[in-house]
Parts: sequence; C-alpha cells; structure tokens
Amino acid sequence: QSVLTQPPSVSGAPGQRVTISCTGSSSNIGARYVVHWYQQLPGTAPKLLIYDNNNRPSGVPDRFSGSKSGTSASLAITGLQAEDEADYYCQSYDSSLSGVIFGGGTKLTVL
Amino acid sequence: QVQLQESGPGLVKPSDTLSLTCTVSGYSISSGYYWGWIRQPPGKGLEWIGSIYHSGNTYYNPSLKSRVTISADTSKSQFSLKLSSVTAADTAVYYCARQGTLASATAHWGQGTLVTVSS
Repeated sequence: QSVLTQPPSVSGAPGQRVTISCTGSSSNIGARYVVHWYQQLPGTAPKLLIYDNNNRPSGVPDRFSGSKSGTSASLAITGLQAEDEADYYCQSYDSSLSGVIFGGGTKLTVL
Repeated sequence: QVQLQESGPGLVKPSDTLSLTCTVSGYSISSGYYWGWIRQPPGKGLEWIGSIYHSGNTYYNPSLKSRVTISADTSKSQFSLKLSSVTAADTAVYYCARQGTLASATAHWGQGTLVTVSS
C-alpha cells in the first residue's frame, strides 16, 4: 500500500478535462514537501511532467497543470488527447520515513 | 546532457543477491546530486529503494533497509545496488535515477532493466 493515495483509474473523452488526485498526510504533502508528477507510457521509464507542485519542464504542454492544497495535490489535464493515455504517478518526500514516496499510480484512459 | 544506464544480470535465483550497476555519462557523480534506485514490479507502481549522495552518505527505504546496499565508484562514474536474500517479490524493472535532493523531482532516469527472480 502506497503512502500517497491515487485513484486506480480515470477516464475522459478527447477534448475533456480530467483530474488525478494524490492524497498524503501531515508527514509528507501536509508538511509542505513539494509534489511531482510523472507520465509513464507502456514499456518506458517515467517522464517528469510537473515538478515542485505546479511547474512544467521545458517541452511539457501547458495542457498539464498541478496544484496542491493541505495534504493533497492534483494533476489536471485539459484538452485530452489520445496520446495522453498512460499511467500517472505522484511523488513527494516523507519525514517519518526519511525517504522518497510515490503514489500507487493512476491509469488514464482516453475514451 | 546526463545519461544513466543500468546493467546487470536479468535472472537471479531465490535467496541470492541481486547486483546492478548504473553508469552515468555527461556528469561526474562526485560533483553533486543524489543518485538512486527505484523499482517497479510488473503491472505495479513505483517504489524507491534508496539513494547515495555525492558525498557517500546513503539513504534507504525502511522496508528494504536490512537487505540493501548502495555504493559508488566515482572513478568509473558508476553507482551500484545490492539487494540480498531476494524472492519472487523482488522481480521488477529496476531504474537508476538522479535527484537534486531527496525531496526533488527525478528528472533523469535510466531506461530500466528487468530482473527476474526465479530458480
């Protein structure tokens, strides 16, 4: 069981907006540690999508955005495209574990 | 541009020690950053195994700490993972990666290598 909780799956039609939640606790997200998001296509390494809660690396479309509030964070994808179908993971740091933690992952299906 | 590449046996017997090496190009691992290992069992999520700081300090996932050793050979620009007493539950794709701090994003990943634990 992952320290960060994500929904196992979400879906949306092309052009729609979807959000993926990442829920933590007072020893990680709630302790003001930043949250990062990754996109993983089948058979490939995760790719950094959002860093430090709401920043996009160069090359990531502005359709992807991140936010954080309290003990939770969210990834939003607008203008959904078929190529967005992938697994998405959140990552943070936990002070009780003194280490890196991941969410369990969310599979996005584009209908 | 920093690049990371994992190498090691793809098949390990139960109770043996899994050993992997990550070769880093485009950056000297002694100059900075945290260098770590992350694994992903087939069809499952990501799990941080541990990291080594450029100074040599190591940090491990508490759930694996008793079986894990991460070390570095700066002269070869390599860092290594040893996981002892493996079982089928250790079958996974193993990634090496770089972070600025343990709380930072993992911007650089190796391609990953599948290690199967089976007799």
